[in-house]
Amino acid sequence: SAVISQKPSRDICQRGTSLTIQCQVDSQVTMMFWYRQQPGQSLTLIATANQGSEATYESGFVIDKFPISRPNLTFSTLTVSNMSPEDSSIYLCSVEQGVNQPQHFGDGTRLSIL
Amino acid sequence: GNSVTQMEGPVTLSEEAFLTINCTYTATGYPSLFWYVQYPGEGLQLLLKATKADDKGSNKGFEATYRKETTSFHLEKGSVQVSDSAVYFCALRGDSGGSNYKLTFGKGTLLTVNP
Repeated sequence: SAVISQKPSRDICQRGTSLTIQCQVDSQVTMMFWYRQQPGQSLTLIATANQGSEATYESGFVIDKFPISRPNLTFSTLTVSNMSPEDSSIYLCSVEQGVNQPQHFGDGTRLSIL
Repeated sequence: GNSVTQMEGPVTLSEEAFLTINCTYTATGYPSLFWYVQYPGEGLQLLLKATKADDKGSNKGFEATYRKETTSFHLEKGSVQVSDSAVYFCALRGDSGGSNYKLTFGKGTLLTVNP
């Protein structure tokens, strides 16, 4: 399966600031996704990152808060904007290498907002 | 919409005990089913999968069988080890395009195995 690298692995940020998380894959993939995992909770899909076009956001998530880029088939970024303590979560990138292939996940970014 | 109901945790077992984590689902058509494992401080790893009825997924001594008649995909292992301590997530992906194709996760079950 693809090797997925996420940066940073963790960060502590101040309220009101923004952080950009990077997801790099070692091979071209058809689909990339971003998830949020709040403390002790399951995963919630934020958006599907579309190559060369705007991301597709799930209900409850908006582009102004979580802008996403995907300039090519191996790289995507998620920005968490104007952060508040409620944004303290693990953010995970996942990829699918082809139709009907399983999703594989990066190790996540553990984000704490003070 | 699709949904996954997973056995509430936490589950605490002694080493070499038998493990079952129940998972049932609601979905139209023929979804694909997955078990993921999350070790402390790490991301999710795919443990096993099944894509059609009566398929059995297996990996690292874990097994799960896709039962369409009972809409279930229970995870089992005959003899757990301390190193199996982790959170286990059952998930499904719908069989058609659009919003139905995305992964839907259960709430996760924390397993602790004591020596």
